[in-house]
Amino acid sequence: DQQVKQNSPSLSVQEGRISILNCDYTNSMFDYFLWYKKYPAEGPTFLISISSIKDKNEDGRFTVFLNKSAKHLSLHIVPSQPGDSAVYFCAASSLETSGSRLTFGEGTQLTVNP
Amino acid sequence: NAGVTQTPKFRVLKTGQSMTLLCAQDMNHEYMYWYRQDPGMGLRLIHYSVGEGTTAKGEVPDGYNVSRLKKQNFLLGLESAAPSQTSVYFCASTRDTAGGYTFGSGTRLTVV
Repeated sequence: DQQVKQNSPSLSVQEGRISILNCDYTNSMFDYFLWYKKYPAEGPTFLISISSIKDKNEDGRFTVFLNKSAKHLSLHIVPSQPGDSAVYFCAASSLETSGSRLTFGEGTQLTVNP
Repeated sequence: NAGVTQTPKFRVLKTGQSMTLLCAQDMNHEYMYWYRQDPGMGLRLIHYSVGEGTTAKGEVPDGYNVSRLKKQNFLLGLESAAPSQTSVYFCASTRDTAGGYTFGSGTRLTVV
């Protein structure tokens, strides 16, 4: 069963506009959520995270929103830039789970057009 | 400061052959992980380790073995490779969940 799901395999936006990437989860034990960005032929890199005690976290152009009741989180990128074109993975963890294991979604390919 | 280094970067195996993937980190991280990435399936955890000398199964452990004899190294072994193990393998490490993982650049393995 897919506990973390990214329903959109791809997203295309114009440079300067907002990119919104979505993620849903089913495991109510998850209390920590992260977004990773991946370029071709490279490993994923950590982007931003949010704890379940918050509903919003910002870091520059990136904002993550968490809706616990809906078990949904989203990543907003404003303004989008061509260099943001990459695969974005949503990940979740329970801080009580041994080993800090992360469960990843399938990924969304973001393309930002100049 | 190399971070997480994976070797080799590419490998082609014949069905039934064995090989070992090496992951090395220089950040003194306690936790290390092996994931595989397949199209449309994201990253799935194979095995992980919470410290030197310890290993545990992840989501898709069958057909793989691991060892963590030294804190900085985490080895992933395939005893008898199968075409279903064709994938991109990523190693990662972390000090704790809050800091996120540091990933290696991946090993692309093809089993023919």
